[in-house]
Amino acid sequence: GNSVTQMEGPVTLSEEAFLTINCTYTATGYPSLFWYVQYPGEGLQLLLKATKADDKGSNKGFEATYRKETTSFHLEKGSVQVSDSAVYFCALSSRGGGSQGNLIFGKGTKLSVKP
Amino acid sequence: DGGITQSPKYLFRKEGQNVTLSCEQNLNHDAMYWYRQDPGQGLRLIYYSQIVNDFQKGDIAEGYSVSREKKESFPLTVTSAQKNPTAFYLCASRAGTGGLGEQYFGPGTRLTVT
Repeated sequence: GNSVTQMEGPVTLSEEAFLTINCTYTATGYPSLFWYVQYPGEGLQLLLKATKADDKGSNKGFEATYRKETTSFHLEKGSVQVSDSAVYFCALSSRGGGSQGNLIFGKGTKLSVKP
Repeated sequence: DGGITQSPKYLFRKEGQNVTLSCEQNLNHDAMYWYRQDPGQGLRLIYYSQIVNDFQKGDIAEGYSVSREKKESFPLTVTSAQKNPTAFYLCASRAGTGGLGEQYFGPGTRLTVT
């Protein structure tokens, strides 16, 4: 079945450090891929997405590239800020059948950025 | 403003009582979802509905029930049969076209059962 594996946290970085959160997936067909962010006590917000191989999603300085050959969608940011402290979820959207459009999530990676 | 509302934000109940969580969206989305989130875990799908008057069980439907009588509303009832109901509950919706669009989430309801 479909699944998402992302690096376990917590990840602690200093302000302005480079961020990478790894995400790999298993899926039949060609899923869409997403990164969501969750701030404490809140719901999830879509951070970025990619719908086909080699697409690069980007938003607020974050980027991720859909790599079909390595089944990966790693999240990167060149210079993190304290305000980026949150939990980040990688997810894929399944194709086909009655569950089309359902999201499958990784377990989340908690990021803490220190000033 | 378009979006998803969940109420209340915090909910407290005694063990053995049923409780209904509200989810309303004004995005005109066809599909709606309920997830459960526990500390240190990802989101687990409880129920989903692709269209009005129809819904499907997700991965952890036991002890929960839903209805979808209106496009904009998808309430979740946590019954007394749910063995460990204390959790953070998230509602989401998705536009129906294409099937692979992103889901939009509400702010969540934190349920505590004692």
